Amino acid sequence: EAGVTQFPSHSVIEKGQTVTLRCDPISGHDNLYWYRRVMGKEIKFLLHFVKESKQDESGMPNNRFLAERTGGTYSTLKVQPAELEDSGVYFCASSPAGNQPQHFGDGTRLSIL
Amino acid sequence: QKEVEQNSGPLSVPEGAIASLNCTYSDRGSQSFFWYRQYSGKSPELIMSIYSNGDKEDGRFTAQLNKASQYVSLLIRDSQPSDSATYLCAVPYSGAGSYQLTFGKGTKLSVIP
Repeated sequence: EAGVTQFPSHSVIEKGQTVTLRCDPISGHDNLYWYRRVMGKEIKFLLHFVKESKQDESGMPNNRFLAERTGGTYSTLKVQPAELEDSGVYFCASSPAGNQPQHFGDGTRLSIL
Repeated sequence: QKEVEQNSGPLSVPEGAIASLNCTYSDRGSQSFFWYRQYSGKSPELIMSIYSNGDKEDGRFTAQLNKASQYVSLLIRDSQPSDSATYLCAVPYSGAGSYQLTFGKGTKLSVIP
């Protein structure tokens, strides 16, 4: 069984540019989560999808971040325009049901110059 | 504000010794607790889950939970150099139908051959 896959593994862009991160959850997992870890801090929740619907987006930092999960399969997280403080590692996780353990991808390391 | 606290380490133990990792949490209503292991540049990998007070053993790993003290720990017996990693304590917050994980900052473990 393939795990959670994320693309790209690394992205380096300049301030003001746009970046789109992609996450493919484990097949059959309805629940998809995005998290972020900025340097020196703990991993923090961004948002949660159940199938194609946003269940909880309370962790999204501002309206420069847009997440989608069309069709309830893969998800994208777009940052537009990127700011220096957006640098960090963005993790995606999935689970079959909400109260079951989440399985993580390797993350996308995002660097804003 | 849900909080999870861990000693950041680094924690160094000799090969073959017992490594003890500790975690406290603020939400008295929490019911589930997870330990993830993360190698540098890799995904957090779930290694233990515990839901009831007491001990839960899985191979060389033992998780201990004390809900009255809001304390959860992970013991690694017969530590091996391959156990060197960052260990993350995570507690799900089940408000608003979401099971977002609140993470500690992680404890970096080094097992010295």
